Amino acid sequence: DTAVSQTPKYLVTQMGNDKSIKCEQNLGHDTMYWYKQDSKKFLKIMFSYNNKELIINETVPNRFSPKSPDKAHLNLHINSLELGDSAVYFCASSQDSVVGVSYNEQFFGPGTRLTVL
Amino acid sequence: GENVEQHPSTLSVQEGDSAVIKCTYSDSASNYFPWYKQELGKRPQLIIDIRSNVGEKKDQRIAVTLNKTAKHFSLHITETQPEDSAVYFCAATSFSGGYNKLIFGAGTRLAVHP
Repeated sequence: DTAVSQTPKYLVTQMGNDKSIKCEQNLGHDTMYWYKQDSKKFLKIMFSYNNKELIINETVPNRFSPKSPDKAHLNLHINSLELGDSAVYFCASSQDSVVGVSYNEQFFGPGTRLTVL
Repeated sequence: GENVEQHPSTLSVQEGDSAVIKCTYSDSASNYFPWYKQELGKRPQLIIDIRSNVGEKKDQRIAVTLNKTAKHFSLHITETQPEDSAVYFCAATSFSGGYNKLIFGAGTRLAVHP
């Protein structure tokens, strides 16, 4: 049973192309996230959704557009890919993230390694 | 803005020795501090966490300590084994518009030599 899954695992594409990464969680969690891990392994949050609503939007180029069709799915679409977008993108989910509610573990997906040529 | 600093960036120990990784955080409202282990090519996985109302937590060979006054928390691994070799990340919660998010440290690459 895969708790958080992502597709594809690897994505190799040319500069200027548009691509999407999909994420699904079967844990019944309310909150989902996208992280970017660069070549130096630094993990940085990009977006977070709570019950299909965008709640966290870090300083990310507007070429990146997340979409949550339902609370079990969070997709990431990237337009006009650039060399600097090459990284591993991780999806994650947690039970809740509302302030005042006891914070819980984030479960990560297997990652999508994006290479822009 | 909020920040989590992690040291050292690399750590090399002999099998059986102890390893200690230290983190400091800037947001005094942070109340949850997880540690994640990431093996090569794999996803980060939670190994232990601590909440702000607790000063220390232990799970077999790993332990975490928290000093809220100094805004420090540390991971201690005793009797290290080669399979402990991985990148370890500390993190702390930070508030953002009514919701929590995790701010991660830069990671510590631990190598345990047989």
